[in-house]
Amino acid sequence: NAGVTQTPKFRVLKTGQSMTLLCAQDMNHEYMYWYRQDPGMGLRLIHYSVGEGTTAKGEVPDGYNVSRLKKQNFLLGLESAAPSQTSVYFCASSWSNGRQPQHFGDGTRLSIL
Amino acid sequence: RKEVEQDPGPFNVPEGATVAFNCTYSNSASQSFFWYRQDCRKEPKLLMSVYSSGNEDGRFTAQLNRASQYISLLIRDSKLSDSATYLCVVNENDMRFGAGTRLTVKP
Repeated sequence: NAGVTQTPKFRVLKTGQSMTLLCAQDMNHEYMYWYRQDPGMGLRLIHYSVGEGTTAKGEVPDGYNVSRLKKQNFLLGLESAAPSQTSVYFCASSWSNGRQPQHFGDGTRLSIL
Repeated sequence: RKEVEQDPGPFNVPEGATVAFNCTYSNSASQSFFWYRQDCRKEPKLLMSVYSSGNEDGRFTAQLNRASQYISLLIRDSKLSDSATYLCVVNENDMRFGAGTRLTVKP
């Protein structure tokens, strides 16, 4: 079972460049999430989606955009990358918001120079 | 005050030891609670849910104290493979993660 798959695994960008991180899940989950994880701060929610065609802001949405055109995919975009966005990004999915545990992808390590 | 707080550790214990982690949360309306395990440079994985009455899964016991707003994780007979970071997760309107407690089990 693939579960939650993130691409790419690693990426180095220059300040001002743009890129899109892809998350795909094969569990037919309605809810999908994007987090960033920084040392000593735990996981912080960037954006989430409660179903195809819907998105909502999380705790730290600034500088990011998302889209959920298909139920199985959740894209995270950085329009103009900044060094402060250097982080490890995790995608997750779940059946419901919070009452069921989330399943995580194995992360994308992003460095902005 | 952080919404979910954990002692960052590190906890260094010998094999076979019993170790306990606590986690406090600020929102009394929180409904769901979990412990996740995260290995170095890996994704978080669900260790166990935490139920109001407390629950046990092999060597792991989780408890919830709503009055004091904390949850705990007890690991008995620690194994080398238990070395990881343990994340406390609390559901308010969305999931809130603690920063994690790092555990190292030594031979």
